[in-house]
Amino acid sequence: GNSVTQMEGPVTLSEEAFLTINCTYTATGYPSLFWYVQYPGEGLQLLLKATKADDKGSNKGFEATYRKETTSFHLEKGSVQVSDSAVYFCALGSTGANNLFFGTGTRLTVIP
Amino acid sequence: NAGVTQTPKFQVLKTGQSMTLQCAQDMNHEYMSWYRQDPGMGLRLIHYSVGAGITDQGEVPNGYNVSRSTTEDFPLRLLSAAPSQTSVYFCASSYSMGLGTDTQYFGPGTRLTVL
Repeated sequence: GNSVTQMEGPVTLSEEAFLTINCTYTATGYPSLFWYVQYPGEGLQLLLKATKADDKGSNKGFEATYRKETTSFHLEKGSVQVSDSAVYFCALGSTGANNLFFGTGTRLTVIP
Repeated sequence: NAGVTQTPKFQVLKTGQSMTLQCAQDMNHEYMSWYRQDPGMGLRLIHYSVGAGITDQGEVPNGYNVSRSTTEDFPLRLLSAAPSQTSVYFCASSYSMGLGTDTQYFGPGTRLTVL
């Protein structure tokens, strides 16, 4: 079946620190992979995605590479800002449907 | 465009009461879905619809009903509320290419407490 395992938080970093949030997946077929972000009091919004192996998704300084050999889609950012404080969800989109399978979410707090 | 809208924003129910959570989108998306978000569990799919008149169950459908009479609206009904249904509910929509690659657009959520 489909599942996503995500690094548990919370994660607290100082401004300008390097961020990595680990995500691994189990899936049948060839899934698409997503990172969604949830800012306080809001719904989720797409941060980036990759639809096939070796694709790199990027947005707002965040990057993630779809690694089929390690079944991973780790999120990285070279220099975090206070405004990046949010909950980050890794998700898998199953082939042939639009349903998403989510990880448990990782809360990131960036302190000045 | 308003995107995906949800009402109410907050709701408190007593055990056994029924209610409907409203969801609407103005993007002409075929695909709509309901998720619940619980601490430590991420989001789990309750029901989804690939078009007007078509609905199907997700991972956690028990205790919930849906219908899709129009493209725009996808209400979620709680038939007899239970404390286990205390959660934050998100509605989402997307174009439906059926490839699993489409971006989902989420509403702001409804926080439901069942006493």
